[in-house]
Amino acid sequence: YELTQPPSVSVSPGQTARITCSGDALPDQYAYWYQQKPGQAPVIIIYKDNERPSGIPERFSGSRSGTIVTLTIGGVQAEDEADYYCQSADSRSTHWVFGGGTKLTVL
Amino acid sequence: VQLVESGGGVVQPGKSLRLSCAASGFTFGDYGMHWVRQAPGKGLEWVAVIYYEGITKYYADSVRGRFTISRDASKNTLYLQMNNLRGEDTAVYYCARDSEDYDISGYPVRYCDHWGQGTLVTVSS
Repeated sequence: YELTQPPSVSVSPGQTARITCSGDALPDQYAYWYQQKPGQAPVIIIYKDNERPSGIPERFSGSRSGTIVTLTIGGVQAEDEADYYCQSADSRSTHWVFGGGTKLTVL
Repeated sequence: VQLVESGGGVVQPGKSLRLSCAASGFTFGDYGMHWVRQAPGKGLEWVAVIYYEGITKYYADSVRGRFTISRDASKNTLYLQMNNLRGEDTAVYYCARDSEDYDISGYPVRYCDHWGQGTLVTVSS
């Protein structure tokens, strides 16, 4: 079971960044998104497809369409430059899986 | 919530190592726990999970049969016993708490809601 993400996305400050994640089992499981900055542990930023944990800015949102889920960052700021990982599980919740990660560059 | 990993270091191929993760700030026995690793310059790779009851365990194919996840509720500690280590096991190993959540329909909502800072394991001769 695999999740596929683009290796990199680049946007200018203030623009909208969209990072996709695709996987055959995604229709059967929720998707989650993590942000990881250099030298730091990952942080959950979206859970259950489109829910934000407390403390995560509103500019982060999630959506899904069939086998593709999307992380959208509206009004990108310099501090959003990081690696982003999607995560889900197989249909029986016996294996968790991460996407390969997407490096967001703020130009 | 605080998770603190320890036990990393340099080990020769074929040898063993045991990682520990000391948990505090929550009721350890109520939550499943994961190990997730990240090779240098690479992405995240899920390694294993142990459910709250300490019985149900699942492993990634890459480590099944070599790694064993366990927990000691009396010590609020999670472990990862790693045997027959290979060069490709070189990574930062994170422990993470499972969200142990469900949606309104009872469907599992399972993700890593808190992470430790990681411990580096280097497998090299």
